[in-house]
Amino acid sequence: AQKVTQAQTEISVVEKEDVTLDCVYETRDTTYYLFWYKQPPSGELVFLIRRNSFDEQNEISGRYSWNFQKSTSSFNFTITASQVVDSAVYFCALSSYNFNKFYFGSGTKLNVKP
Amino acid sequence: DAGVIQSPRHEVTEMGQEVTLRCKPISGHDYLFWYRQTMMRGLELLIYFNNNVPIDDSGMPEDRFSAKMPNASFSTLKIQPSEPRDSAVYFCASTSLRSSTSGREVGTGELFFGEGSRLTVL
Repeated sequence: AQKVTQAQTEISVVEKEDVTLDCVYETRDTTYYLFWYKQPPSGELVFLIRRNSFDEQNEISGRYSWNFQKSTSSFNFTITASQVVDSAVYFCALSSYNFNKFYFGSGTKLNVKP
Repeated sequence: DAGVIQSPRHEVTEMGQEVTLRCKPISGHDYLFWYRQTMMRGLELLIYFNNNVPIDDSGMPEDRFSAKMPNASFSTLKIQPSEPRDSAVYFCASTSLRSSTSGREVGTGELFFGEGSRLTVL
């Protein structure tokens, strides 16, 4: 069965703090993709990153970084020096190799306070 | 380029009424997904289409829900009769596994979401 677990329902930090959002997944596929999406208060869902199951290199994009560890089935997302604009709900998602099914976690609501 | 377009953005209706939500996917995309988002259940996949053909509708809650995709540029999600528990935000998303005509790869698996249709059933 495919499953994505985001155990942190809500996190509150003060601006400039670093914060890590956890994502654990389950799949029987040998090839799969992992994603992070952001849903700001305005409601739209914004794509942040895609990771292939055969590429465990960590990735950094500005203040964002992702740590993919196949051994622990985790794909964690870290925001460095958080800003108020980072306040949103963040979803981790898993898809099969041909993208024909996307499984979303329950989301983590991040509150960044000034 | 226009993104995924959904209408209406907001709908308030009374229990028992028919509701039709509409979606125009991004041109060239061959996959279309309907999701429902609620506080209790998060983002749920209702149904998805590939080349206008429904592939998996196992997420459709019950017979009151139906979805169609008569052509590559239009899809509808219909609820008849609607009930208060159907109140949610309904998202349409599209993606493609093929390269676009412009040569830019779109087959990255990135789901492009519409802005959602917020449905309230009284």
